Amino acid sequence: NAGVTQTPKFRVLKTGQSMTLLCAQDMNHEYMYWYRQDPGMGLRLIHYSVGEGTTAKGEVPDGYNVSRLKKQNFLLGLESAAPSQTSVYFCASSYSLSDLSYYEQYFGPGTRLTVT
Amino acid sequence: GENVEQHPSTLSVQEGDSAVIKCTYSDSASNYFPWYKQELGKGPQLIIDIRSNVGEKKDQRIAVTLNKTAKHFSLHITETQPEDSAVYFCAAKMVGSRLTFGEGTQLTVNP
Repeated sequence: NAGVTQTPKFRVLKTGQSMTLLCAQDMNHEYMYWYRQDPGMGLRLIHYSVGEGTTAKGEVPDGYNVSRLKKQNFLLGLESAAPSQTSVYFCASSYSLSDLSYYEQYFGPGTRLTVT
Repeated sequence: GENVEQHPSTLSVQEGDSAVIKCTYSDSASNYFPWYKQELGKGPQLIIDIRSNVGEKKDQRIAVTLNKTAKHFSLHITETQPEDSAVYFCAAKMVGSRLTFGEGTQLTVNP
């Protein structure tokens, strides 16, 4: 089991450029999440998905779009990158959203994005 | 929505000492409180969690306590070791809702 994988690991963008971050999980989890991590601000939820073909907004969704065309993949897109989007992005997945016995979130290794 | 505050933001201890990290939450409906450990260059990993019907939970050198009346919970690490050095996040969750994370604590264990 690879768990949760993310590509790329690092990326530098210029303001206005676009990119897509890919998250893949091999645990057959229904729920997937995208977070950003900034110093002193913990982990903030950008978007999440409760199943294939569904997405929902989290705490800080502006400037990002997501898609979940396949159960195992969750894509995060930046259409027009801004310096404020410089951050470390983490993808996570879980088996359940409501059953606490299966709620543990498994995180990927992260993508460090710099927007100049 | 839920708000979670975590203190301290940095904590430095000597090897063998105990470390305590505290979190407060705002919504009394929260019923699940996990703690995640993030080692350098890696994603967070669950180390222990507690539900609102339990006051304390232990797993070897780590323990978590919950005070529902005061709406705070704490992580206790005893006999700290250098490999305990990491960023620790607390979080809180209500039924059917998402996790809300604290700001994180950088723990450094000095040999």
